[in-house]
Amino acid sequence: GAVVSQHPSWVICKSGTSVKIECRSLDFQATTMFWYRQFPKQSLMLMATSNEGSKATYEQGVEKDKFLINHASLTLSTLTVTSAHPEDSSFYICSAAELAGGADTQYFGPGTRLTVL
Amino acid sequence: GQNIDQPTEMTATEGAIVQINCTYQTSGFNGLFWYQQHAGEAPTFLSYNVLDGLEEKGRFSSFLSRSKGYSYLLLKELQMKDSASYLCAVLDSNYQLIWGAGTKLIIKP
Repeated sequence: GAVVSQHPSWVICKSGTSVKIECRSLDFQATTMFWYRQFPKQSLMLMATSNEGSKATYEQGVEKDKFLINHASLTLSTLTVTSAHPEDSSFYICSAAELAGGADTQYFGPGTRLTVL
Repeated sequence: GQNIDQPTEMTATEGAIVQINCTYQTSGFNGLFWYQQHAGEAPTFLSYNVLDGLEEKGRFSSFLSRSKGYSYLLLKELQMKDSASYLCAVLDSNYQLIWGAGTKLIIKP
């Protein structure tokens, strides 16, 4: 099946620094990628939707200047958490959607655990 | 390698009961999640099992057997709104989520 990878799998950083998380579709082209955030035992919260070659669409309440998303190619999207603070500590999960024959299915990445000290 | 298996699609009748199975082979185990995802929406958390046994939550129940690498999600008194994809995901020893491909559940009147 389709595989989505994320890098890094976990990161610890100091408050005020920026962290970049990569999401790659390994064996298919993803026209759309989604970024989610998850707190323990809670639903995935959609942060933004990114389409290759265009600006990301952010959900209400998500600061676009803080969470920079770049979808430069059909297999790579990046999320940069700028000036991270402890409250940004969370599990960030991406998914990639493959458009095939008009249907689209999301494939989820393994997640990146961010801890901001 | 790590693997999660669940049926691609299931069909059930409104008012009936359906069981969606999930089997897994992962490097370590730190719990299993079930999510519901309606088309175009983010996955909604349904359950988290880390110990063997059945956890009941309203119309939904989730069962886990760690020795068998097996879980199921049981949906009772099916309603049309239960038509959705159901995702099984396991947290491995590195606390990485390993996802199943999802089971599309179709409810017929």
